[in-house]
Amino acid sequence: DQQVKQNSPSLSVQEGRISILNCDYTNSMFDYFLWYKKYPAEGPTFLISISSIKDKNEDGRFTVFLNKSAKHLSLHIVPSQPGDSAVYFCAASARNSGGSNYKLTFGKGTLLTVNP
Amino acid sequence: DGGITQSPKYLFRKEGQNVTLSCEQNLNHDAMYWYRQDPGQGLRLIYYSQIVNDFQKGDIAEGYSVSREKKESFPLTVTSAQKNPTAFYLCASSIRLLAGVTDTQYFGPGTRLTVL
Repeated sequence: DQQVKQNSPSLSVQEGRISILNCDYTNSMFDYFLWYKKYPAEGPTFLISISSIKDKNEDGRFTVFLNKSAKHLSLHIVPSQPGDSAVYFCAASARNSGGSNYKLTFGKGTLLTVNP
Repeated sequence: DGGITQSPKYLFRKEGQNVTLSCEQNLNHDAMYWYRQDPGQGLRLIYYSQIVNDFQKGDIAEGYSVSREKKESFPLTVTSAQKNPTAFYLCASSIRLLAGVTDTQYFGPGTRLTVL
């Protein structure tokens, strides 16, 4: 049972336009969400995160929106650049019985291609 | 220059042999993690360690073993009991793993293990 879903395997946008990557989750205990960017044969690079007490977090060209009632989050990249072309993973975590977030549950990723 | 190093980047082994993957960090992070990525899949947690001389199983620990004798090092051994060992292995670390604290996990560059 996939608890974190990225339903679009790929997305193609033009340079300068907005990229919107979507992620849905089923576990209502998730309270911390992250986006990672990954190039082939490399480790994921942390982009941005959001706690469940917020509905928006912004860092430069990257903004993450969280809709808890819909169990949905999205990553907006504005403006998109060719160097943004990579696989983007959504990840979520919940506090365990000891009160710590230790385990990240990942989606399968979305391949973003930004065309010049 | 702080970071997480994993060596080697590519590793080949014959079926039935144990193999140990290295992970070192100089970020002074307390917590370390091992994930596995398979094609078209998200990352799955194998083992994690909150502190030296302590580690816990993740979702897919069968066929793997770890040790945490030093804060900086968290080697992963893929044993012959692991039925499908060919995969991309990623090590991560975070500052700490405490109740009520959510720290971002940062990843190393990964090791591609191929079992022939």
